[in-house]
Amino acid sequence: DTAVSQTPKYLVTQMGNDKSIKCEQNLGHDTMYWYKQDSKKFLKIMFSYNNKELIINETVPNRFSPKSPDKAHLNLHINSLELGDSAVYFCASSQDWLAGGRKTQYFGPGTRLLVL
Amino acid sequence: QKEVEQNSGPLSVPEGAIASLNCTYSDRGSQSFFWYRQYSGKSPELIMSIYSNGDKEDGRFTAQLNKASQYVSLLIRDSQPSDSATYLCAVRSGANSKLTFGKGITLSVRP
Repeated sequence: DTAVSQTPKYLVTQMGNDKSIKCEQNLGHDTMYWYKQDSKKFLKIMFSYNNKELIINETVPNRFSPKSPDKAHLNLHINSLELGDSAVYFCASSQDWLAGGRKTQYFGPGTRLLVL
Repeated sequence: QKEVEQNSGPLSVPEGAIASLNCTYSDRGSQSFFWYRQYSGKSPELIMSIYSNGDKEDGRFTAQLNKASQYVSLLIRDSQPSDSATYLCAVRSGANSKLTFGKGITLSVRP
């Protein structure tokens, strides 16, 4: 019973392609996140949704577009992939982000994206 | 730009020793502080959270927070080879409760 799941786990694609990564959580959480972890292991937030509403939108190229069809799902679509997009993308979820941020974020297994 | 800084690593300690991991943060209004452990090729997992000044102990792990000095640390007592991983300090702040991570420090525990 995976709490936060992502598909695919690995994604190898050519520059210029468009790809999507899907995330689902079965924890009943109301907030979901996308993080990017680069080759130096630096983990940086990209987006966050609370009850399908975008609440965090960091400085990310507009080739990246998140979509939350419901509060259990948060997908990430990437247009015109570039070499620099190669990284591990983690989805995470937490409950009740308004409560002073004390709720734990649970991470998915990650999607390893390699752009050739 | 709100920052979270961690000691540059890697850190190597012998089995049974105390490993001390340090983290400083720039936003004085930060509310919550976390330590995540990440094994190679895996996702981060929360090992400690701390919200008020002082020490918080959980088994072999102790988190220490000093808000005046904007400093948070993690002590691992009786270090085991299974503790070998990258440790990420994370700080939550701002109206949107954004979690900002440090760059992490890799700990190696020598048998």
